[in-house]
Amino acid sequence: AQKITQTQPGMFVQEKEAVTLDCTYDTSDPSYGLFWYKQPSSGEMIFLIYQGSYDQQNATEGRYSLNFQKARKSANLVISASQLGDSAMYFCAMREGPGGTSYGKLTFGQGTILTVHP
Amino acid sequence: SAVISQKPSRDICQRGTSLTIQCQVDSQVTMMFWYRQQPGQSLTLIATANQGSEATYESGFVIDKFPISRPNLTFSTLTVSNMSPEDSSIYLCSVARTSDSYEQYFGPGTRLTVT
Repeated sequence: AQKITQTQPGMFVQEKEAVTLDCTYDTSDPSYGLFWYKQPSSGEMIFLIYQGSYDQQNATEGRYSLNFQKARKSANLVISASQLGDSAMYFCAMREGPGGTSYGKLTFGQGTILTVHP
Repeated sequence: SAVISQKPSRDICQRGTSLTIQCQVDSQVTMMFWYRQQPGQSLTLIATANQGSEATYESGFVIDKFPISRPNLTFSTLTVSNMSPEDSSIYLCSVARTSDSYEQYFGPGTRLTVT
């Protein structure tokens, strides 16, 4: 069974500073994908970044980067130059790779609330 | 990215009634899913909506309580039946393209309060 762990219930960061949100995972599948989503108070789930288990490079999307350490089974999200609008809940999620019977099903961590201070 | 809409965006319902939530995608997608997020909790998968056949439910969720339809590749509905206050949650539709890379997106969600 797949499992995602986010050990930081809440994080605080100063505006314009960088912050790292932790995520560890557990799976026996060799092929899987890791996602980060942002959920503001409105409730929508905003896709931020994706990392495939076979990707050689760490994923980056603008101010977001994913620090993927496969041997440690960690997929930490790094937000550079934090902005006030980054204050939200952040979820790490995992799904089985293509071809599996569970493809497309996301398993979520418990989330981390990020607060950006001016 | 896919543009996903959900209706209604929110509702307040009486105990014992039912509510049907619609999910519309602007393009054909292979896979559609329904998730529930109870207050202060993470997201939990309710079921996979299969086009033209019965949905596949996760452990703890049953068809009588959460009937799902998916008549085509762009539309699905989730009904929350015989509601109780414990059903108060955000319900989110999610879509994925198996033929594509990694894209998996969510609709804006339906915030349901049962009184």
